[in-house]
Amino acid sequence: EVQLVESGGGLVQPGGSLRLSCAASGFTFSDFWMSWVRQAPGKGLQWVANIKKDGSEQYYVDSVEGRFTISRDNAKNSLYLQMNSLRADDTAVYFCARDSLGGVDIWGQGTRVTVSS
Amino acid sequence: QSALTQPASVSGSPGQSIIISCTGTSSDVGNYNRVSWYQQHPGKAPKLMIHEVTKRPSGVSNRFSGSKSGNTASLTISGLQAEDEADYYCYSYAGGSTYWLFGGGTKLTVL
Repeated sequence: EVQLVESGGGLVQPGGSLRLSCAASGFTFSDFWMSWVRQAPGKGLQWVANIKKDGSEQYYVDSVEGRFTISRDNAKNSLYLQMNSLRADDTAVYFCARDSLGGVDIWGQGTRVTVSS
Repeated sequence: QSALTQPASVSGSPGQSIIISCTGTSSDVGNYNRVSWYQQHPGKAPKLMIHEVTKRPSGVSNRFSGSKSGNTASLTISGLQAEDEADYYCYSYAGGSTYWLFGGGTKLTVL
């Protein structure tokens, strides 16, 4: 079964850091670009970042550029999102997603990040 | 990096058809055939319903169809069923330094 499972969410103070992880299974992880997508409480979806199959290229939405870093370990079938200098407006459910079919075809269940003092 | 424009809500009765629009620009929806649609029930992860404008993934009902004209993509749901009640999002490649955009989402109510 193709599956993505996120972990690492939680409560963090403004200015703090958090590292999200996503474990992939059921497919050849290194064959796919991967993305992070977030959804603030009661709001819509927002693409955050994605990374090339071999990790050599990364792209970010402007609002997280310079604060977030997407990375991957193909040997461990894992995707990561290092989030630094967190702000209240980063509060959201963060989804790990597989890039395919001209969009995203597989989603994880999400991990909740709350930035609050 | 503005979101694509979708109606906030649409509604229909069981058995009817509805259309959800997704309006972008010539830099995103109008320039690429990389438009997809997602269904999201409350508290759940989104589910891919349409990819590359018109293509339906295996397992998705043929009551769901997609199209595009100019800068506007559309999702049509025919033969509405109670289980179709959900939020729907469009998603398009935008290239340049914007990369990917979602629509603001449309809440579908089945009356």
